Amino acid sequence: LAKTTQPISMDSYEGQEVNITCSHNNIATNDYITWYQQFPSQGPRFIIQGYKTKVTNEVASLFIPADRKSSTLSLPRVSLSDTAVYYCLAGGAGTALIFGKGTTLSVSS
Amino acid sequence: GAGVSQSPSNKVTEKGKDVELRCDPISGHTALYWYRQSLGQGLEFLIYFQGNSAPDKSGLPSDRFSAERTGGSVSTLTIQRTQQEDSAVYLCASSPRMAGYTGELFFGEGSRLTVL
Repeated sequence: LAKTTQPISMDSYEGQEVNITCSHNNIATNDYITWYQQFPSQGPRFIIQGYKTKVTNEVASLFIPADRKSSTLSLPRVSLSDTAVYYCLAGGAGTALIFGKGTTLSVSS
Repeated sequence: GAGVSQSPSNKVTEKGKDVELRCDPISGHTALYWYRQSLGQGLEFLIYFQGNSAPDKSGLPSDRFSAERTGGSVSTLTIQRTQQEDSAVYLCASSPRMAGYTGELFFGEGSRLTVL
């Protein structure tokens, strides 16, 4: 059973900031929160990972509140090429990493 | 190798035949995962290996599915007596296991199975 819940879909326009929230109410102490991006006909690829507070890399930011029961992936200034499915995953090394259903992000011009 | 390699990339088979799907993980990665993705759906967890052992086989859909891993490297997913509902993309991912490592997965491109 997936540990995470996300919106099924989101729509945005180019240049906007997109925030995708994931719920993980039963997250374990040792679990990290990881986000993956998947394009059609490709395997998912890693975007960002965090344990608590805020993490930022060159493509995204990840916000995790103190209770860790949710997290928000923030994509700044999206482009058409950001149209993809985004998966939130709660888990860590040595565990069965079970994905949720993902969020389909559609970016329009 | 540079990344996770899966073969075949495409497989068309007839109902009732057996198929084998292969995964070559990134060198040195001790954890290996198999997922199944049906058309338009999310990733369904099948099985996970740590070394040659499978601590969690809970996702295997039926006893027609089995997987093994040898030498802590290559893994084979076998589907016996294939059914049309087995048609999907089978994805393999690997991950290093080191003290403090957080379990990021590196995925292959998948093996697309079509059962006629």
